[in-house]
Amino acid sequence: DTGVSQDPRHKITKRGQNVTFRCDPISEHNRLYWYRQTLGQGPEFLTYFQNEAQLEKSRLLSDRFSAERPKGSFSTLEIQRTEQGDSAMYLCASSSGPGQGAGDTQYFGPGTRLTVL
Amino acid sequence: RKEVEQDPGPFNVPEGATVAFNCTYSNSASQSFFWYRQDCRKEPKLLMSVYSSGNEDGRFTAQLNRASQYISLLIRDSKLSDSATYLCVVNIYTGRRALTFGSGTRLQVQP
Repeated sequence: DTGVSQDPRHKITKRGQNVTFRCDPISEHNRLYWYRQTLGQGPEFLTYFQNEAQLEKSRLLSDRFSAERPKGSFSTLEIQRTEQGDSAMYLCASSSGPGQGAGDTQYFGPGTRLTVL
Repeated sequence: RKEVEQDPGPFNVPEGATVAFNCTYSNSASQSFFWYRQDCRKEPKLLMSVYSSGNEDGRFTAQLNRASQYISLLIRDSKLSDSATYLCVVNIYTGRRALTFGSGTRLQVQP
């Protein structure tokens, strides 16, 4: 399968614990995005990387959230001191756009469903 | 006001029906427009991009009206397999690459 992959697919944790999710983008896609989706809502943007540089961060990304893409390939999203409100589906997407042009097609992974008890 | 607004539905239609979804966006700087489809508990998948001249892909037709800041999706000859949530998506590219999603319109095609 050459699509976007995410691990784990499901995570149940207790409030206050730290969790880390991994995303492997489509091979050679230089752009990687993290979104969060709660029930009944569309995905909401969290952050964006071009290669290893984190170029955009949403105000939704509180200081408990950190994302990295150290070698410009896979990415991790860590949530520290989880809260019940962090329960959501965390989606990763990747794209390989036409340089500096307008939005290019983003392909989504299957997501990591986080439940904070 | 949300940046992208959609009627949440559900739209319950019989097989073979034609159904149309509308979406409005608030930022006139928006440059790229898409419809994504999302099945229950699955990831969003690109259905089609939306171009100013309108575009068609089989049974699906998308239209964009920049003056009214309005996007539509028409599905003809609905199939049971079309049952899903349809997400209206906008890229407000002014140096940003983030996609802005509507909350989705749920379609249920019934036999």
